[in-house]
Amino acid sequence: AQSVSQHNHHVILSEAASLELGCNYSYGGTVNLFWYVQYPGQHLQLLLKYFSGDPLVKGIKGFEAEFIKSKFSFNLRKPSVQWSDTAEYFCAVNAGQAGTALIFGKGTTLSVSS
Amino acid sequence: DTGVSQDPRHKITKRGQNVTFRCDPISEHNRLYWYRQTLGQGPEFLTYFQNEAQLEKSRLLSDRFSAERPKGSFSTLEIQRTEQGDSAMYLCASSLTPGTGKQAYFGEGSWLTVV
Repeated sequence: AQSVSQHNHHVILSEAASLELGCNYSYGGTVNLFWYVQYPGQHLQLLLKYFSGDPLVKGIKGFEAEFIKSKFSFNLRKPSVQWSDTAEYFCAVNAGQAGTALIFGKGTTLSVSS
Repeated sequence: DTGVSQDPRHKITKRGQNVTFRCDPISEHNRLYWYRQTLGQGPEFLTYFQNEAQLEKSRLLSDRFSAERPKGSFSTLEIQRTEQGDSAMYLCASSLTPGTGKQAYFGEGSWLTVV
């Protein structure tokens, strides 16, 4: 069965600090990988996704993620965070060809102080 | 707004009562998913539909839960004989048939509190 592990439960940063959130998954086949963000009081929104091709994917709001197949990882990065990035971040995976439901990690709460 | 809409947004019910949530997906989307999310956890998959056919159900979906999508458009999720452990946010998402580039779009969720 697929599973997703997010290493950091709560991350606290100051504005302009760099961010890296870890995500590892367990699944031996082709996977699609996603990062979703949930701002306070809002619905889940897609930040970025990886299906194939360049393992370094760029998303909205300056976020990027790198797929490292050998490490089963899909870490999220941002060079300089802003107060408005305060939110909960979820890594998710689904089996590529089967295309079934997303399996989510438990999420990482990011708090950015100004 | 042409996104995924869910109703009601909040529901407080007494233990033992039945509740029903409705989800209206993005109109051209043929896939519809239900998830449950509790505090401090990521969304947990419950079930999904391809048009009107329910293709997969999680072991989390006990006999008290039933979902339908009768005409392949909106969907309902009913919980019978609610228990306090059912208190959670119930999320609906929709997508086109998965394949490259087909992301899921989420609604704002329906909060259930069982007292």
